[in-house]
Amino acid sequence: DIQMTQSPSTLSASVGDRVTITCRANQTLSTWLAWYQQIPGRAPKLLLYKASNLESGVSSRFSGSGSGAEFTLTINNLQPDDSATYYCQQYHSYFSFGQGTKLEIK
Amino acid sequence: QLQLQESGPGLVKPSETLSLSCAVSGASINSDGSFWGCIRQPPGKGLEWIGSISYTGNSYYTSSLKSRVTISVDTSKNQFSLKLSSVTAADTAVYFCVRHRGSVFGVVDYWGLGTLVTVSS
Repeated sequence: DIQMTQSPSTLSASVGDRVTITCRANQTLSTWLAWYQQIPGRAPKLLLYKASNLESGVSSRFSGSGSGAEFTLTINNLQPDDSATYYCQQYHSYFSFGQGTKLEIK
Repeated sequence: QLQLQESGPGLVKPSETLSLSCAVSGASINSDGSFWGCIRQPPGKGLEWIGSISYTGNSYYTSSLKSRVTISVDTSKNQFSLKLSSVTAADTAVYFCVRHRGSVFGVVDYWGLGTLVTVSS
């Protein structure tokens, strides 16, 4: 099974800041990597797929990069609505998720 | 607009079988290129893929649950179903029905609202 590790586990930033979340896999994924945003009490929402492709309707403040075994999610110009937990997910071999990064907006 | 709606028992006794139905609206469950799955999330924890099924009926499961799980499609009701046998407290979670884009191993682009299933006597 492919193991996914996100860092940091928690993150606190201010409105207008830029933040970066890292996701590492224990084997190469090519670019079969997605990012999801989950607001408490709600289902996750797809943000990016194939590492860097922005899902339709998602703000361009979200961007992704990486390939192989290391990936990043960057959120520019943080807004209060960005307060959520973010998960990476590999879909190179079945599916597995990172443990999540909880983002708090100060 | 595609929508997924979970319906489950809410409470299941240990050692019994958890049965969850996922109603699909806005699309035909067995149309060419339709792929469906189930993901769960224990309270306060992360996401775990359970399994997925293609419109042709081919199913795939996570290795840790493979011996206890079955996902099937009911075309007459336009829904798919999850059965998880011999449940324990560790199976307490919010269960989500999902759609995969493009293939049974595709990214998840639609999620149901989720339903909490508690395993307790």
